[in-house]
Amino acid sequence: DVKVTQSSRYLVKRTGEKVFLECVQDMDHENMFWYRQDPGLGLRLIYFSYDVKMKEKGDIPEGYSVSREKKERFSLILESASTNQTSMYLCASREGSYGYTFGSGTRLTVV
Amino acid sequence: GENVEQHPSTLSVQEGDSAVIKCTYSDSASNYFPWYKQELGKRPQLIIDIRSNVGEKKDQRIAVTLNKTAKHFSLHITETQPEDSAVYFCAYRGSNYKLTFGKGTLLTVNP
Repeated sequence: DVKVTQSSRYLVKRTGEKVFLECVQDMDHENMFWYRQDPGLGLRLIYFSYDVKMKEKGDIPEGYSVSREKKERFSLILESASTNQTSMYLCASREGSYGYTFGSGTRLTVV
Repeated sequence: GENVEQHPSTLSVQEGDSAVIKCTYSDSASNYFPWYKQELGKRPQLIIDIRSNVGEKKDQRIAVTLNKTAKHFSLHITETQPEDSAVYFCAYRGSNYKLTFGKGTLLTVNP
């Protein structure tokens, strides 16, 4: 089974802090994705990456950046955290044309 | 832009009844339609998917139907059980190969 691991389950950060959310997959997948999940809004794509050092904006990239220096790791960065970025963040990876495998999620609270 | 409408947002059924969730999409180039189940506090997990070259796919108590002409697809769960209670997300893969998700349906199966 593909394993997608998110380093933190819960995080509490202060407004203005720089926040790193880490995601690692163990199946050599080329494609990785970051979503945020909010009640009533479903899953919204923030950024995705098709390969190392490649990144593309999703539907809601404002306030976020990403880094993919190694194939197995895809990091989401909040340059200056704000309270409206309080959310559940889900990382996913995909092989070829199949469905995603999701990580367990990181619940981020910005105070 | 790309979007998918999912209905209903909440659905409550009695154990043993059937449940149907419907999604309508806009991108005519879509060719892959997965459904995800997310139990409380857990990651979304793929439960069934369908590709555009078939109209129906079944796996035990769950089935998915696809009408490409009308651009809608549906999830059918028969003989519902309490453990089917969860949030269900439809999704489709558009021309840019990323998945776009619906807003989710909270299914409650009452014993």
